[in-house]
Formats: sequence, C-alpha cells, structure tokens
Amino acid sequence: QSVLTQPPSVSGAPGQRVTISCTGSSSNIGAGYDVHWYQQLPGTAPKLLIYDNSNRPSGVPDRFSGSKSGTSASLAITGLQAEDEADYYCQSYDSSLGAGVFGGGTKLTVL
Amino acid sequence: QVQLQQSGPGLVKPSETLSLTCTVSGGSISTSSYYWGWIRQPPGKGLEWIGTIFYSGTTFYNPSLKSRVTMSVDTSKNEFSLRLSSVTAPDTAVYYCARAPGPWGEESLDYWGQGTLVTVSS
Repeated sequence: QSVLTQPPSVSGAPGQRVTISCTGSSSNIGAGYDVHWYQQLPGTAPKLLIYDNSNRPSGVPDRFSGSKSGTSASLAITGLQAEDEADYYCQSYDSSLGAGVFGGGTKLTVL
Repeated sequence: QVQLQQSGPGLVKPSETLSLTCTVSGGSISTSSYYWGWIRQPPGKGLEWIGTIFYSGTTFYNPSLKSRVTMSVDTSKNEFSLRLSSVTAPDTAVYYCARAPGPWGEESLDYWGQGTLVTVSS
C-alpha cells in the first residue's frame, strides 16, 4: 500500500489527452511538499519527467505537464504517442514517515 | 553529461549483506549542490527510497530501513556505496543509484544508474 495513490492503469488513443492522478494526504502533498513525476519504460531506469510540481527538465516535450492542488497532483499528457506507453510514478516527501515516498505507479497503454 | 554506473553482485544469500557501488562520471561527487541516493524496486512493484549520502559522508536513511542500511562515499574514486545487512527474500529488488539536489527524498532525482537486480536466495 503506497502512501501516494495512483490509478493502476490508464489508456488512450494516439493523439488523445490523458491524465494520471496522485493522491496524498496532509503529511505529504497537502503539507506543501513538491511532487515529481517519472516515466519508466520497460526494463529501464525511471526518467525524470516533471519536477517541483510543474517544471520540465530540458529535453522533455511540452506535451507533458504537471499540476498540484491541495492533497493531489496530476500529470497530463497531450497528443498521445505510441512511445509514451510506459509506467509513470509520482514522488513527494512524507513528514510523518520522514522519508521520500512514491506512488504505486500507473501503466499507460496507448490503444 | 553526468553518468552513474552501478556494480555489485546480483545474488545474495539470506542473512548476508548486500553491497553495491555507484561510480559517477562526467562530474565530481564532491559537490555541495547534490546528494547521492539509492532507491529500490521489487519485481513488478513500485519504488522505495532507501536514503542518500553527501560527499562529506553525512547520511540520511529511510527510517523503515535505517537499522540495516549503511552508505559510504569514496571521493578519490568518485563513487558511493550501499550496504544492506541481514537480507531476506523481500529485499529482492532492482536497486538504483541516483542524484538528488536534497537529502531527504523531498527533491527530484535527475540522474539514475542503470539498475542492478539483486536476488536474495540460497
């Protein structure tokens, strides 16, 4: 049971827009800690996709965007492409646990 | 371009100690701007933050693993290491090293190693 809750799976057709939610609590996202997002292609290490809630590292397409409100955060992907098929993870910090925490991951399927 | 290269055995016996090393290239580990961390991912499951170390040797561990984790740094070799003692089957996972701007798992992880699958089995 992950501290941050993500839907196990989402899907969309090429060109569509999908969103992945990350729900936390008052001891993590709701406490004001930043949320980061990672993309993990099969058999590879996670890749930083969004940092500090809504910022994209250099090289990440602007089709990827992040937002945060209250105790939740969201990752949006527009203009879905086959290469976006991957697992996506959110990360934050939990003051009750005293450690960084991750969501359980969401598998994105491009139909 | 910073690169992290992991090394270490892929098989550890129950009750023994897991040891992994991460060598940093393309930048110095002795920077005040970054911490160096370890994260693990059990097969088919999500990610777990293990802890980080600063080049000075200061460590920050996940409280859930603190009693069994030891991290160290060798600035002369530009590398840092993880030791996890008294391993059991649930410690079987892909272990990743990574770089972070902060120590407590609050900051993002911008560069990652390739991952090492460590299996705990006799």
